[in-house]
This record gives sequence, C-alpha cells and structure tokens, in this order.
Amino acid sequence: DARVTQTPRHKVTEMGQEVTMRCQPILGHNTVFWYRQTMMQGLELLAYFRNRAPLDDSGMPKDRFSAEMPDATLATLKIQPSEPRDSAVYFCASGLVRGTGELFFGEGSRLTVL
Amino acid sequence: DQQVKQNSPSLSVQEGRISILNCDYTNSMFDYFLWYKKYPAEGPTFLISISSIKDKNEDGRFTVFLNKSAKHLSLHIVPSQPGDSAVYFCAATASGTYKYIFGTGTRLKVLA
Repeated sequence: DARVTQTPRHKVTEMGQEVTMRCQPILGHNTVFWYRQTMMQGLELLAYFRNRAPLDDSGMPKDRFSAEMPDATLATLKIQPSEPRDSAVYFCASGLVRGTGELFFGEGSRLTVL
Repeated sequence: DQQVKQNSPSLSVQEGRISILNCDYTNSMFDYFLWYKKYPAEGPTFLISISSIKDKNEDGRFTVFLNKSAKHLSLHIVPSQPGDSAVYFCAATASGTYKYIFGTGTRLKVLA
C-alpha cells in the first residue's frame, strides 16, 4: 500500500531552534509538494519540486525556510530559526503529474513552537 | 491573494439530504480542479476531479459541477452520510504548471 510518509508526526520546540521535517514520497511520483495548514489560509502552498528540481518556493519565508530534495526518496523542509507563528500542520504531497493528476498527501507533521 | 476561495467555513446537513459545497476561483488559466476530504489528524484524501473540458463529473454519491464562465465549482454529495463529516478542500491547477492551489476548506457536519 503505497503512501507518503512524513516524520516527525509531532514536534514541540522552543523559539529559535532549528526544525527539520522529512517526507518520503510515493515511489515513482515525479512531483512533491509542501503545504502548511492554517485556519486563515487553509492549505497554503510553500514549495514544490518536479523531478527533484525546485519549481517554486515563493510561498515560504525565504529568510527562515528552506526546502530541498536531496534524492528521489526524500524531501526536507527546514525552519531556522523557528518562531511561534510557524506553529501549524505541515503536509507533504506527491503525485505522478503529467500536466495534471491527483496528489497524495502524507499524514502531516504537527509543529508547535513555544 | 487567495486564488481559490471557499466562502462557507462550515455547513450542517441532515443525514440523507444533499450537501452542496461551493468553490470560486479567480485565475482563468486554471483548467483542472479537484476536491479533497480531510478527517482530523489525517492527511487530505482525493475525492473527485474535473477537467475544464467538462461541466460535470460523477462518482457514486459525489458529483462535481464546473461553471467556467462564473469561475465556480461545486461538490454535491447525495445522500449525505454521517461518515461524510469532514473538512472539504477544493483545489485548482493550470495544466503543465504543476502548481496546485487549495482553498481554505469547508467543514461539513452531517447530522444523524
């Protein structure tokens, strides 16, 4: 049963600390996305990759957020330094997108920054 | 700049009745639309999609309608069941951009 795997599921950290969230996309999927769920913005697109190349990361604060795909089986989202306003659920999604296609989401990483 | 809008944060419907969830978009380049369902503490799961070459797509109890001129789509659930209680997100993309924009979600509560 192929699925997108995210770690950690929950993370509590203190303001100023570095946070790294990891995602294993479904094998064979060519597009990987990072979203953040907030009450006001719904599912907010932070960054996405196609064939491991970053296409657009305009949705995330550049000074503190970074997203990478070191290989086809791993995507990372890093926050340094973290702030209380970063508290949210972060979702990774992957898809085999040929023009269009559905995305498959992981279960999310719930981040709390104190 | 919210390109995909779900103006109703919540909706309550009686079991057995029709649930209608609405979504508006502003970008005329969008040509593929999706609906996702999300339960608490889980990731969103795909429900149904529609291409802009169609105005309706049906899958069991779920039907999505697309009105391109109004830049509006809706999801109909008939009949509604208590298990349908969840947050529903609509999403849109322009073919080939690989950029999927989601709305703010509508929380559906189906009352038994």
